[in-house]
Amino acid sequence: GAGVSQSPSNKVTEKGKDVELRCDPISGHTALYWYRQSLGQGLEFLIYFQGNSAPDKSGLPSDRFSAERTGGSVSTLTIQRTQQEDSAVYLCASSLTRDKDTQYFGPGTRLTVL
Amino acid sequence: GEDVEQSLFLSVREGDSSVINCTYTDSSSTYLYWYKQEPGAGLQLLTYIFSNMDMKQDQRLTVLLNKKDKHLSLRIADTQTGDSAIYFCAEKRAAGNKLTFGGGTRVLVKP
Repeated sequence: GAGVSQSPSNKVTEKGKDVELRCDPISGHTALYWYRQSLGQGLEFLIYFQGNSAPDKSGLPSDRFSAERTGGSVSTLTIQRTQQEDSAVYLCASSLTRDKDTQYFGPGTRLTVL
Repeated sequence: GEDVEQSLFLSVREGDSSVINCTYTDSSSTYLYWYKQEPGAGLQLLTYIFSNMDMKQDQRLTVLLNKKDKHLSLRIADTQTGDSAIYFCAEKRAAGNKLTFGGGTRVLVKP
């Protein structure tokens, strides 16, 4: 079946602009995760959604970052007033349920802030 | 992160075995994973092991877990040029749902 998809694959923006990154999880997966991969910090957890529960936002680096998940499926990660240090690859993953823990990753969105 | 550590680089000849090592610090880890990342691509799940297991074999891949020493390794038998990539180990702890990743080991397979 189809894997996790993300769009856009590449995004170049100017400092101070807002960006939205989209993730479509594997159909039927109830858990969705966002991670960030950057040269200086490696792979970092950002946020986690599970069904209708309140999301775990403990990894979001600042209040400029937010995410939502509509209808328990598609998720959007929004970065407001982008900064150069936000440049990274943003990876989305999904898993079947909390108990079925294996996370499957999408190809990522490469964000470049000029 | 600092909680999961890997060596940075491994060079191996085609046909030889590769062994990639990983150490972690949290004894509550429930699952440990190996992911592969090729240039410009996302993370591909290779294999995982539950913390109450010592070994798991899957075709050319063998995972060894020493829970006492908090040491995980991935052995790739008969390494091929297509195995050149960055390999990440990751742990999932009993509390929470996030994965904590090591910094990745870049494996270069020479013909």
